[in-house]
Amino acid sequence: DAKTTQPPSMDCAEGRAANLPCNHSTISGNEYVYWYRQIHSQGPQYIIHGLKNNETNEMASLIITEDRKSSTLILPHATLRDTAVYYCIALQGGSEKLVFGKGTKLTVNP
Amino acid sequence: NAGVMQNPRHLVRRRGQEARLRCSPMKGHSHVYWYRQLPEEGLKFMVYLQKENIIDESGMPKERFSAEFPKEGPSILRIQQVVRGDSAAYFCASSPQALSGANVLTFGAGSRLTVL
Repeated sequence: DAKTTQPPSMDCAEGRAANLPCNHSTISGNEYVYWYRQIHSQGPQYIIHGLKNNETNEMASLIITEDRKSSTLILPHATLRDTAVYYCIALQGGSEKLVFGKGTKLTVNP
Repeated sequence: NAGVMQNPRHLVRRRGQEARLRCSPMKGHSHVYWYRQLPEEGLKFMVYLQKENIIDESGMPKERFSAEFPKEGPSILRIQQVVRGDSAAYFCASSPQALSGANVLTFGAGSRLTVL
């Protein structure tokens, strides 16, 4: 699976958009980009995933660059409850293992 | 529709005892995955099972650890002769189909094992 690189921490003001970057410059054509988050020590929570096209759901938007070497997770209106560690994962087609890195610790401030 | 249910949520064992962690996947999910999270570390894949079959156990320690997912009942992660280094949070996840088909894992709340 492609290695992903994320900033270790970010801050965001409550009500503002949180934009979390992820670099996956070695991603191959059949690797999906998944985003999960872990709030405190709870189980990871799925957010969104995509292959080539931008994706949007009720939680977030995923913007993938045209060359697929990087992506951005956007939480449009961050709340205090969005404070968590966010993991960007590149999953190779045929693989069954999500490889969690260190993620980005997002702190949403009042 | 209940989510992935794990029990016990907290388990304390003394060195040398056995730990059994149970996972009931979401209804309709026949694919189960176990992950371990050591203190202050990220989640590490341990094993992937389908009903009655171990598909990938490449992340399981060679000794003392075993997993099963019987035809009836929950998936079980068994740790024999526990040592202090086994203290961790163990997360189970399930999926209706193989993850490689761009499916999504739903995780349980985890079982936290403390070895005294």
